[in-house]
Amino acid sequence: DTEVTQTPKHLVMGMTNKKSLKCEQHMGHRAMYWYKQKAKKPPELMFVYSYEKLSINESVPSRFSPECPNSSLLNLHLHALQPEDSALYLCASSQERADNNEQFFGPGTRLTVL
Amino acid sequence: QQPVQSPQAVILREGEDAVINCSSSKALYSVHWYRQKHGEAPVFLMILLKGGEQKGHEKISASFNEKKQQSSLYLTASQLSYSGTYFCGTVLLMDTGRRALTFGSGTRLQVQP
Repeated sequence: DTEVTQTPKHLVMGMTNKKSLKCEQHMGHRAMYWYKQKAKKPPELMFVYSYEKLSINESVPSRFSPECPNSSLLNLHLHALQPEDSALYLCASSQERADNNEQFFGPGTRLTVL
Repeated sequence: QQPVQSPQAVILREGEDAVINCSSSKALYSVHWYRQKHGEAPVFLMILLKGGEQKGHEKISASFNEKKQQSSLYLTASQLSYSGTYFCGTVLLMDTGRRALTFGSGTRLQVQP
């Protein structure tokens, strides 16, 4: 299985809602990532988990809260988001940290904040 | 610092060739190349680690110059399926003290019949 899955595919939420994005991989990868991608822009790194521990938080606002319950799962909890947070949220995984390993991306969750 | 990609966009006819460049003011640890089709996830193409390295196959290949400050992606005899946005990614030392993959601004490639 060489696939990263993400749910839901689409999410519309209000600024007062609490929602979660889910990501799963069964490739035995020990590094997992959350990226945010705006239209016609490159993916921007948000968080990196390495061996289930948060190793990088790229100055992301606290309204985004990551969680790595186990080596196969990665969640992104959303609370009190702003309309400018609307974007495609991509999850990725790699064998180890990103330095010289390819990243496998999931299809993304397209988030709209009203 | 985000790597600089050029050109921003290119339109080709089937069978034509294209070159996409990715450069940095500092020597890079590695260069990754990804392609993203509209509405889809980025897909890994290749990684170059060594100065002077060339990798890939006849149709899609890449090079990494000796100083490791520039990489080029070569698309030969383009096909319709090559259309998409191409990103180079470089591993940079972040403010957190960790190294992480940072993507260039992307090159939108459109291959027309």
